[in-house]
Amino acid sequence: QVQLQESGPGLVKPSETLSLTCTVSGYSISSAYYWGWIRQPPGKGLEWIGSIYHSGSTYYNPSLKSRVTISVDTPKKQFSLKLSSVTAADTAVYYCARNGYDYVGGGGIDYGGQGTLVTVSS
Amino acid sequence: QSVLTQPPSVSGAPGQRVTMSCTGSSSNIGAGYDVHWYQQLAGTAPKLLIYGNSNRPSGVPDRFSGSKSGISASLAITGLQAEDEADYYCQSYDSSLSGWVFGGGTKLTVL
Repeated sequence: QVQLQESGPGLVKPSETLSLTCTVSGYSISSAYYWGWIRQPPGKGLEWIGSIYHSGSTYYNPSLKSRVTISVDTPKKQFSLKLSSVTAADTAVYYCARNGYDYVGGGGIDYGGQGTLVTVSS
Repeated sequence: QSVLTQPPSVSGAPGQRVTMSCTGSSSNIGAGYDVHWYQQLAGTAPKLLIYGNSNRPSGVPDRFSGSKSGISASLAITGLQAEDEADYYCQSYDSSLSGWVFGGGTKLTVL
């Protein structure tokens, strides 16, 4: 059974960098799937942040691209999200997920974490 | 404003059939990219309901079905049950944006 678990601070100050890690169990992160992040502001819809392949190839939401970095650590079975210069608009539940078997998301998001609320506030 | 357009809400009585739409454009659904549907129960993470336009993951009842035509996709639910009350999101890939896009979500109310 594939399981993903997000971890990281639940509170980040404005202008600082949001950092989250996703730990994967039950599946080799270096196998043929993409991994990534999705977020959901309170009371709003889903937004794709970006995806990464185990080779390190990354794909980012153009609206966030200048502030986002997604990286992968295959020995640790983890991938991470960094979002810089955060504002209150970045307050959201952040989900890590297995993002399909190709870069266009073939197969859909079939496994995901339970989500972690990150609040941006001073 | 979402790239994929979904009606904000739909409703139906138990046992009825409801459908909800997801309308895109020539750079996403109309370009042939797959549409996936997710169900999000209150306070929980989204769950994959339909992948590749019309395929159900293991464990999803056959009351749920998906279809795609032109620049639109649809999700149908037959034999509506109280536990189907949730938010439903469609998702696809957009070649103009070079990334994934979601619909704004449809809230299903079971009357």
